[in-house]
Amino acid sequence: GQQLNQSPQSMFIQEGEDVSMNCTSSSIFNTWLWYKQDPGEGPVLLIALYKAGELTSNGRLTAQFGITRKDSFLNISASIPSDVGIYFCAGTGTASKLTFGTGTRLQVTL
Amino acid sequence: DAMVIQNPRYQVTQFGKPVTLSCSQTLNHNVMYWYQQKSSQAPKLLFHYYDKDFNNEADTPDNFQSRRPNTSFCFLDIRSPGLGDAAMYLCATSRGTVRDSRHNEQFFGPGTRLTVL
Repeated sequence: GQQLNQSPQSMFIQEGEDVSMNCTSSSIFNTWLWYKQDPGEGPVLLIALYKAGELTSNGRLTAQFGITRKDSFLNISASIPSDVGIYFCAGTGTASKLTFGTGTRLQVTL
Repeated sequence: DAMVIQNPRYQVTQFGKPVTLSCSQTLNHNVMYWYQQKSSQAPKLLFHYYDKDFNNEADTPDNFQSRRPNTSFCFLDIRSPGLGDAAMYLCATSRGTVRDSRHNEQFFGPGTRLTVL
């Protein structure tokens, strides 16, 4: 099925650094969602975005819904070891089904 | 706390032996989904129920079936598991009420990891 282009594929950063990842699509989306998945667990919803240009924060996380409605980014400030995991973007168009990004694997070193 | 529950968390079955995975939710959401996720890949939607209406994805094998006896419960039946069906199976729910701007947010359970011997 269709997937969103998510980058980078993986990141290896030091504790305290800021992290940025993004998703792009050739199609317009009405909703952008960002999930984090820990090993052996289900994805957990971090941030949901509903309007083009919207900027939303959740603690150290900030995400934006691109103006063109074809992209979104997620920033994590001052990363800590528990930020390790796989981050997925997901979007919905006119239907309620999610289209997932390919995932960004984040590893944090002390 | 309202949540999505999956049982069991780990399931081992033999090649060709039918297996059923279960999901329950206390969120009172209209829509329930089943996804298959293989290592390091994004979840792949198998099917979903909007209330009692069943919606199958075109590429979901006939080997996979689902039942939703009531709002709270949904089951995934794999009639004859093959080695390629070994994966994490995720259940998710969403409100599905269009007039609610958050109706597309999906909430996932912890998953059931299926091993096929």
